[in-house]
Formats: sequence, C-alpha cells, structure tokens
Amino acid sequence: DVKVTQSSRYLVKRTGEKVFLECVQDMDHENMFWYRQDPGLGLRLIYFSYDVKMKEKGDIPEGYSVSREKKERFSLILESASTNQTSMYLCASSSDSNLYEQYFGPGTRLTVT
Amino acid sequence: AQSVTQPDIHITVSEGASLELRCNYSYGATPYLFWYVQSPGQGLQLLLKYFSGDTLVQGIKGFEAEFKRSQSSFNLRKPSVHWSDAAEYFCAVGVMDSSYKLIFGSGTRLLVRP
Repeated sequence: DVKVTQSSRYLVKRTGEKVFLECVQDMDHENMFWYRQDPGLGLRLIYFSYDVKMKEKGDIPEGYSVSREKKERFSLILESASTNQTSMYLCASSSDSNLYEQYFGPGTRLTVT
Repeated sequence: AQSVTQPDIHITVSEGASLELRCNYSYGATPYLFWYVQSPGQGLQLLLKYFSGDTLVQGIKGFEAEFKRSQSSFNLRKPSVHWSDAAEYFCAVGVMDSSYKLIFGSGTRLLVRP
C-alpha cells in the first residue's frame, strides 16, 4: 500500500514564526502536492513538484514556499506564519504511470495564533 | 475555467437507505473524474475514478458513480448505506495540462441516522 506520512497531526504556531510541514511518501512516486483544506472551499492546490528540486506554483502559492531535495520528501514552508494560514494541510503523491490518482497523507491541522 | 460543484453541503440518510451524492463539473474536454472520501481526522481515500469507457464505474466499499456527459455530472451512489459511511465526500476533476492537478468540489458531509 502507498503510504504518505506527514510530520505532525496538530501544530500550533505564533504569528511571524517560520513553519515547516514535512511530507514523506514510500512508493517512489515522482509527483507530490501540497493542498490546504478549508470548510466550504474543498481542497486548493498550493504547490506541486514533479521531480526532485522542481516545483510549480498551484492556485494559492502566496505566503508559501516548498522544497524537494529528495524524491520521497516534500516540505511546505510558511516563511512568516499569519492567522489566515490557519488551516488543514494535506500532502499527496502520484506516479507518472497514474498521474491523477493521488494518495493523501492524514493531514496537519495548523493553528496560527 | 474548470470547476466542480457539489450542490449539497450536508446530506442525512437512514442506515440501510440508498444514497446519491451530486457532482457537476465544468471542463472543456472529456474529463478525468474522481470521488474521494475523508473520514473524520483522516486524509482522503480514493473511492473510484472515471477515465474513459463504461460510464458506470464501480469503486470500493460498494460505491458506484455514473458519468453523464450530457448533464456534466458524475453522481456517486450506494444502494444501502452503513453507519461507517458517515464522512465527507469530495468530487474532483483532473486537469489535463502539465500540472496533473485535481480540482476539488467543496465537499458533501454525509450523516447516517441509526
């Protein structure tokens, strides 16, 4: 089974802090994604990566950056956390042979106070 | 622009009753369509997908969905709901560009009455 893990289930940070959310997948998938999930808005794509050291902006990249130094790991960085970044963050991965079939991690609920 | 609409925010059904969750999409070409389920506190799990071919697709946990091009719909159905089906359900369309991204609907929360 594909397994996507995220470093924290719950995280509380203060405004202005730098925040790192880590995601690791164990199925050698080429593509990795970061979404945020907010009530009534569904999931919105923040960034994605289709190869090591490659990254592409999604629909709502402002205030975020990403890093992919290894194939299995994709990090989301909030350079200076703000209260409007309080949300559920979901990581996903997919293979090149099944591009759209994404496997999701359990999510990190981030609260910025 | 591509979009997915799930018109029902909440649906309540009795255990053993049938279920239909609605999904409408806006997309210029033949879409890749998906249904995901999210149980409380969990990530999303793929229920089923439609790429081409037979418009009635079967998924896990006894779910099925029917693609209707004329109605731009991909509704999810289950003949008999179990209490464990209580969750949030998301419909998604795959965007066929270099991003390979999914566009999600806003979700439908299913409540099951005992």
